[in-house]
Amino acid sequence: QVQLVQSGAEVKKPGASVKVSCKASGYTFSDYDIHWVRQAPGQGLEWMGWIYPVSGGTNFAQKFQGRVTMTRDTSITTAYMELSRLTSDDTAVYYCAREGLAFDSWGQGTLVSVSS
Amino acid sequence: DIQMTQSPSSLSASVGDRVTITCRASQSIAGYLNWYQQKPGKAPNILIYAASSLESGVPSRFSGSGSGTDFTLTISSLQPEDSATYYCQQSYNVPRTFGQGTKVEIK
Repeated sequence: QVQLVQSGAEVKKPGASVKVSCKASGYTFSDYDIHWVRQAPGQGLEWMGWIYPVSGGTNFAQKFQGRVTMTRDTSITTAYMELSRLTSDDTAVYYCAREGLAFDSWGQGTLVSVSS
Repeated sequence: DIQMTQSPSSLSASVGDRVTITCRASQSIAGYLNWYQQKPGKAPNILIYAASSLESGVPSRFSGSGSGTDFTLTISSLQPEDSATYYCQQSYNVPRTFGQGTKVEIK
């Protein structure tokens, strides 16, 4: 079955960077884009960007331009999202999701806490 | 960016009630509208894609309709396990955008 398994929770200091991984299995990794969505505590869903696994091409929400990097390693069917210059506003659960006709499979989420 | 506006923000209904949630896009998105259910502490789960197509395994009491700018998610007979927050999302263009969510509670 399709599975996206994310790396574990992170605690970071303001100004630091965080890198979250998303390991895909159960389907052909190159056939589906991987998107990243985050959710601050008690808030709604916020789209961050996506990566096209075939070429590694990316597209980011303007809000995160210059601060986010999305990469992939097709040999281990894993996508990565790195966010730099963290502030307390970046405290959130970060999800990866596969996009077919919709976000039809999601990772379990990775809590990133930013605190001094 | 396309803004997605859901209403109501929350509702409380009884088991067996018919529940309707609306989602309006700030411009036409044709039928590129998806609905998700999210329970506390869990990732969202797809219910409806392309405005009206039921995802495999989702109970038939869930249905979606609409096109252009106005869309609806209907739960025909509310069940206790439907207590959750529901989000609409457009996949018409980038950036992908979500509605603010509708929290459904059981009376």
